[in-house]
Amino acid sequence: GQNIDQPTEMTATEGAIVQINCTYQTSGFNGLFWYQQHAGEAPTFLSYNVLDGLEEKGRFSSFLSRSKGYSYLLLKELQMKDSASYLCAVRDSNYQLIWGAGTKLIIKP
Amino acid sequence: ETGVTQTPRHLVMGMTNKKSLKCEQHLGHNAMYWYKQSAKKPLELMFVYSLEERVENNSVPSRFSPECPNSSHLFLHLHTLQPEDSALYLCASSQDEGSGANVLTFGAGSRLTVL
Repeated sequence: GQNIDQPTEMTATEGAIVQINCTYQTSGFNGLFWYQQHAGEAPTFLSYNVLDGLEEKGRFSSFLSRSKGYSYLLLKELQMKDSASYLCAVRDSNYQLIWGAGTKLIIKP
Repeated sequence: ETGVTQTPRHLVMGMTNKKSLKCEQHLGHNAMYWYKQSAKKPLELMFVYSLEERVENNSVPSRFSPECPNSSHLFLHLHTLQPEDSALYLCASSQDEGSGANVLTFGAGSRLTVL
């Protein structure tokens, strides 16, 4: 079966750096997405990786290793507003999106 | 208004009721989706419409009935639901359906409670 694994919950301190990991086993690969979802709000698109390497976008970066079936989302200079759930999703060979259960990130002052 | 708008935001219904969820997108997208989001579970794709044609129905019980009258509007009609159907129902849209870099734009969801 197809599977996406990410930690259920993480805690970090304001101003620090946190890395949220995502590992996947899917039938084929056509890209990996990260979305952010604040409580009670819509998930919003953060990043898309289809080639190996690091994509940087301001305080957020996303890394992909296709050979390892692994990605991470790196958040720098954490702010209280970064408290949210982070969803990892992989598009498989049929272009279906396979979703992880999300990682709830708690930022403490 | 821009983006994807869902109404109602909250809905409580009995198992014998009939209600509908509405989704509207003003992005000019060609594909629309219904997802179910339950606590600590992955998003479950329910239905996909592309250019108003249903292209996917992920073994969803018939008590959920989608309708897509045009490319901007999507409905989910609900009848004789079960308590386990209580969840957040998310609508999303995208430019096209099925391409690699296709980014979904989500609505804020309709929180459904079935008593």
